[in-house]
Amino acid sequence: DVKVTQSSRYLVKRTGEKVFLECVQDMDHENMFWYRQDPGLGLRLIYFSYDVKMKEKGDIPEGYSVSREKKERFSLILESASTNQTSMYLCASSSAGAGVADTQYFGPGTRLTVL
Amino acid sequence: GNSVTQMEGPVTLSEEAFLTINCTYTATGYPSLFWYVQYPGEGLQLLLKATKADDKGSNKGFEATYRKETTSFHLEKGSVQVSDSAVYFCALRLQGGSEKLVFGKGTKLTVNP
Repeated sequence: DVKVTQSSRYLVKRTGEKVFLECVQDMDHENMFWYRQDPGLGLRLIYFSYDVKMKEKGDIPEGYSVSREKKERFSLILESASTNQTSMYLCASSSAGAGVADTQYFGPGTRLTVL
Repeated sequence: GNSVTQMEGPVTLSEEAFLTINCTYTATGYPSLFWYVQYPGEGLQLLLKATKADDKGSNKGFEATYRKETTSFHLEKGSVQVSDSAVYFCALRLQGGSEKLVFGKGTKLTVNP
């Protein structure tokens, strides 16, 4: 079974802190994604990566950055956390394949609260 | 642009009732369509998918048929159980394009015994 793990289930941080959210997948997937989930808004894509050291902005990249130094690990960084970044953060991974509708596999999520 | 619209919840049903959650999409080209489910306290997991018109995806008693003429992918189940209580997300992915999924806003289902 594909396994996507996230470093924390719950995090509480203070405004202005630098926050790292870590995601690791064990299926050698090329693609990795970071979403945030908010009530009434569904899932919104923050960043994704289709290869090591490669990244692309999603729909809401402002206030976030990412790092992918190894294929299995994709980190989301909040350079200076703000209260409007309080949310559930979901990581996902998928296999690359042109013309193939590949499934995204999700981690359990990290609920981040910024005070 | 590409988008997914699904019926707003919450939806509350009694056990063994029939379920329909509507999903329509707007897309350039011919997308693949997905239903994901999120059980309380968990991440999303794929429920079913369909890659071309008239395909039917099915899993765990749930079904959805890709209707190109109505740009729809409605989720149905004939007899829901308490364990089906979850949030359901409809999503699309463009064929041959980016690996990104476009999600609907989710529909929360509660099934009462």
